[in-house]
Amino acid sequence: SYELTQAPSVSVSPGQTARITCSGDKLGNRYVSWFRQKAGQSPVLVIYEDAKRPSEIPERISGSNSGNTATLTITGTQVLDEADYYCQAWDGTSGGIFGGGTKLTVL
Amino acid sequence: QVQLQESGPGLVKPSETLSLTCTVSGGSVSGYYWNWIRQPPGKGLEWIGFIYYGGNTKYKPSLRSRVTISVDTSKNQLSLKLTSVTVADTAVYFCARVLKSGYDSGFYYWGQGTLVAVSS
Repeated sequence: SYELTQAPSVSVSPGQTARITCSGDKLGNRYVSWFRQKAGQSPVLVIYEDAKRPSEIPERISGSNSGNTATLTITGTQVLDEADYYCQAWDGTSGGIFGGGTKLTVL
Repeated sequence: QVQLQESGPGLVKPSETLSLTCTVSGGSVSGYYWNWIRQPPGKGLEWIGFIYYGGNTKYKPSLRSRVTISVDTSKNQLSLKLTSVTVADTAVYFCARVLKSGYDSGFYYWGQGTLVAVSS
């Protein structure tokens, strides 16, 4: 079955750039979505189709996908960016696949 | 603005059937892919399956034998049934709709989620 792998945690200082990666076999051939989830809340779509942002998501959040790795980049990271981030892609056999999630800490 | 609201029993006994409803307001269930996603306490997200308004469904292979997703266009609702539940099915269950017409356009609209505990 198809799998997506994320690092459990990433730490960044305020104002710096955070990069959260998601790896999977030939992931670049699939569309990747990214979700932000804060404690006790529903996930929020921040990136879809690899690099597109819903209108309410700021430009400092961006995405890319090539080869075996998709990357979510947050520039000028703020404390309010602290959350769990999940990548997601589709597989013809397995259906929707989520990565295990990455906890972003801003300190 | 499309809004989704899950509802159903918060407690289900082992071996019984979990039944949830997602009521859609501000939009129609027609024309989009509607998904169920769950999240066990303290763990990550797990996709359960989707239904397209025409009735086409796709389920996570490991759950396929126990899952049924359906749509009631007259009530603008979708439903989830999961049979023979065990404690491993304890989770917050979300319904979600994709942003655009394609199934892979990203889960944009989410319900607030409903916690279902499986316990005797």
